[in-house]
Amino acid sequence: DTEVTQTPKHLVMGMTNKKSLKCEQHMGHRAMYWYKQKAKKPPELMFVYSYEKLSINESVPSRFSPECPNSSLLNLHLHALQPEDSALYLCASSQAGSRGGAPKNIQYFGAGTRLSVL
Amino acid sequence: GENVEQHPSTLSVQEGDSAVIKCTYSDSASNYFPWYKQELGKGPQLIIDIRSNVGEKKDQRIAVTLNKTAKHFSLHITETQPEDSAVYFCAAPKGGYGGSQGNLIFGKGTKLSVKP
Repeated sequence: DTEVTQTPKHLVMGMTNKKSLKCEQHMGHRAMYWYKQKAKKPPELMFVYSYEKLSINESVPSRFSPECPNSSLLNLHLHALQPEDSALYLCASSQAGSRGGAPKNIQYFGAGTRLSVL
Repeated sequence: GENVEQHPSTLSVQEGDSAVIKCTYSDSASNYFPWYKQELGKGPQLIIDIRSNVGEKKDQRIAVTLNKTAKHFSLHITETQPEDSAVYFCAAPKGGYGGSQGNLIFGKGTKLSVKP
């Protein structure tokens, strides 16, 4: 099973709302990722978690707040977003290297959450 | 850091023809090169990858070649079918050698259209 499940599939929110995106995998992967993808563009990395600890934050605005409550789950909490934040948000997972080392490169992606900010 | 260039941005072929997509990378220390296929409304799906210790890898109708000297790698799809229509992304590790914590830098993508 190489499935990464993301919910919801679609989300519409106002600029004052608070919402959360969820991601789940049961492949035993200990590295998980959030990407943002605008239309007709490649995915852009936002965050990397390794062994449930945040290891990479690609200078993402604080209105995006990631959380990794356990090895199978990854959340992205959204607050006070702007219309330009509208995009497809992708979650991915991979095997992790040894603690403190680099995760393995083969990443498996979920189908994404299509977010619209009004 | 790594920079990945991908060409062409769009490619249209007749069913049964071959399709080739090319990518170049900048960091000679990079050692892992995946190719992803993204269909409309779906997330990217890994279709093939290659590590720097081999020059070619094949999986049925799909092959990837790597030229380390020239720092480019290519995706080859033979006997194309309409279901091959999608956007294809190449990628390379952001930090070069070892993958730098798994970060991948993606090319800008190639929209492949296979006409029946």
